[in-house]
Amino acid sequence: DSGVTQTPKHLITATGQRVTLRCSPRSGDLSVYWYQQSLDQGLQFLIQYYNGEERAKGNILERFSAQQFPDLHSELNLSSLELGDSALYFCASSVGPAPPTNQPQHFGDGTRLSIL
Amino acid sequence: EDQVTQSPEALRLQEGESSSLNCSYTVSGLRGLFWYRQDPGKGPEFLFTLYSAGEEKEKERLKATLTKKESFLHITAPKPEDSATYLCAVQAGTFSGGYNKLIFGAGTRLAVHP
Repeated sequence: DSGVTQTPKHLITATGQRVTLRCSPRSGDLSVYWYQQSLDQGLQFLIQYYNGEERAKGNILERFSAQQFPDLHSELNLSSLELGDSALYFCASSVGPAPPTNQPQHFGDGTRLSIL
Repeated sequence: EDQVTQSPEALRLQEGESSSLNCSYTVSGLRGLFWYRQDPGKGPEFLFTLYSAGEEKEKERLKATLTKKESFLHITAPKPEDSATYLCAVQAGTFSGGYNKLIFGAGTRLAVHP
């Protein structure tokens, strides 16, 4: 058990809809990261938050947004969903943003999103 | 462009048959290389962090090594429970603003048969 909690585990919805994925980081971790894993793309970094502030952006679509709340949990919002958005969405957390040591990121078990 | 390539894509071993997985990378400013294990339906589980060429880390039947261009994950006398996908990731770039993006390889699917 990594200590990172993601809900829901599975989500089935239709094209054009909007969903929210939730992540609670490990106790003491201030950084939260979101990744998308699909069969053809592998694990792709989406966005990073540190203590409530956005720190880095990766291949995140404009239809997607995220935030980190004062209690450090994070939500990933996906809107105007398309068939191609079907994937596993992982949340990871680490103690800090990065320096002075490169702490590993610890992953939750993901949310499987299926778009019908 | 930063890139991570893992080989082979899939590997089938008999129990006790040792082998190595490869992770080659091209990044501007390597800050760290990470190995993860991922079981079906689960998130990646952290195994090792390597920071500099020549560094080695060991955990049970696994040993990770790092050179300037690649990393190897050596599996000694594997057991069926070692079956999983092994992912390599690099942390690159500067830390200005707390940048901490991981770039993952596609993984090696390992199957160990009794």
